[in-house]
Amino acid sequence: GEDVEQSLFLSVREGDSSVINCTYTDSSSTYLYWYKQEPGAGLQLLTYIFSNMDMKQDQRLTVLLNKKDKHLSLRIADTQTGDSAIYFCAEGGSQGNLIFGKGTKLSVKP
Amino acid sequence: DSGVTQTPKHLITATGQRVTLRCSPRSGDLSVYWYQQSLDQGLQFLIQYYNGEERAKGNILERFSAQQFPDLHSELNLSSLELGDSALYFCASSVEVDLRGVTGELFFGEGSRLTVL
Repeated sequence: GEDVEQSLFLSVREGDSSVINCTYTDSSSTYLYWYKQEPGAGLQLLTYIFSNMDMKQDQRLTVLLNKKDKHLSLRIADTQTGDSAIYFCAEGGSQGNLIFGKGTKLSVKP
Repeated sequence: DSGVTQTPKHLITATGQRVTLRCSPRSGDLSVYWYQQSLDQGLQFLIQYYNGEERAKGNILERFSAQQFPDLHSELNLSSLELGDSALYFCASSVEVDLRGVTGELFFGEGSRLTVL
């Protein structure tokens, strides 16, 4: 079945890079997504990558896609305390919806 | 502000009761999705409506039902509530009907936190 897995917690120091990893099962998904959830809020789209790409860079964010291993990662450079949030990896489900992982809680220590 | 409005924000009720959660999608969005977020299960897809019609069904219990009205707002009805139904229920909307082949940006509301005692 469709499944997206990611580690639940990550703790880094301010200024370091954060890398959040994700594995997915559905190789036919055209796009893969990273959403961010701040405390008390809904999810917001952070970035996405087309399945034919290996890498996408957007300011401090770098998304790497290894389609062979069905592995997606999100790197946040120069992590700030404001980056503390839950980050969700998502793939397009077979019914046209999005399938989300359980989320990785990123804690940034000053 | 995502443009998606959910009410109520918080709801406390007892086991066996029935509640209705309401969602107004972003202006112009025809698709509405309901997700349940709990600590152990993460974010689970429940159901999707497109322009009033049920489009896709996920892990939605038989005790739960939903509908989308002609004005495109949607309601999620939860009945015979159990302790395990306590969760954050999110509504999201999008322009697209099928997110597999397009840049599927979902716009989420702030959620309705349901506590069943």
